[in-house]
Amino acid sequence: DIQMTQSPSSLSASVGDRVTITCRASQTINTYLNWYQQKPGKAPKLLIYAASSLQSGVPSRFSGGGSATDFTLTISSLQPEDFATYYCQQSYNTPITFGQGTRLEIK
Amino acid sequence: EVQLVQSGAEVKKPGESLKISCKGSGYSFINYWIGWVRQMPGKGLEWMGIIYPGDSDTRYSPSFQGQVTISADKSTRTAYLQWSSLKASDTAIYYCARRDRESDAFDIWGQGTMVTVSS
Repeated sequence: DIQMTQSPSSLSASVGDRVTITCRASQTINTYLNWYQQKPGKAPKLLIYAASSLQSGVPSRFSGGGSATDFTLTISSLQPEDFATYYCQQSYNTPITFGQGTRLEIK
Repeated sequence: EVQLVQSGAEVKKPGESLKISCKGSGYSFINYWIGWVRQMPGKGLEWMGIIYPGDSDTRYSPSFQGQVTISADKSTRTAYLQWSSLKASDTAIYYCARRDRESDAFDIWGQGTMVTVSS
């Protein structure tokens, strides 16, 4: 199985900050990497697919990068509604695997 | 509107069986993989398996193989996740999600079904 490791596990930041979350795969996955946002009591929401493509309807302050084993999710200017948990997920092969999540909290 | 609507919350006893559902609408149900994802209380997302309703091709995570059964009914546009004998450790929220054909990402999610297993 491909292991996905996110860092940090939690992060405190303020509105307006720029934040970056990283995700590392245990083997190369090309750009088969997706990012999701989950708010409490809600289903996950797709933000970024194929490492850097913005899902329709997602604000442009979200961006993704990377390839092979190392990936990033960047939020350029945090908004109040961005405080949530973020997960990376590889779709390179089965079993599909998720990172453990990064909880983004208000400072 | 493209959506997946899941069945309601369940409370069961250990050893009981259960089948929960996920109904698709607004798109060609048979042409998209549907996956199931578990989220235990306060924990992260775990992929359980995936089914292609067009031909019922099914893949399971090794962690869930033999523990659950995934199926689909094309005529009712519904995917299912079932257990033959529940355990307390099956207590979780279960999500179904559509896998987009081009991106391979889960682009549409159901609202989740809370399953509580307690004696």
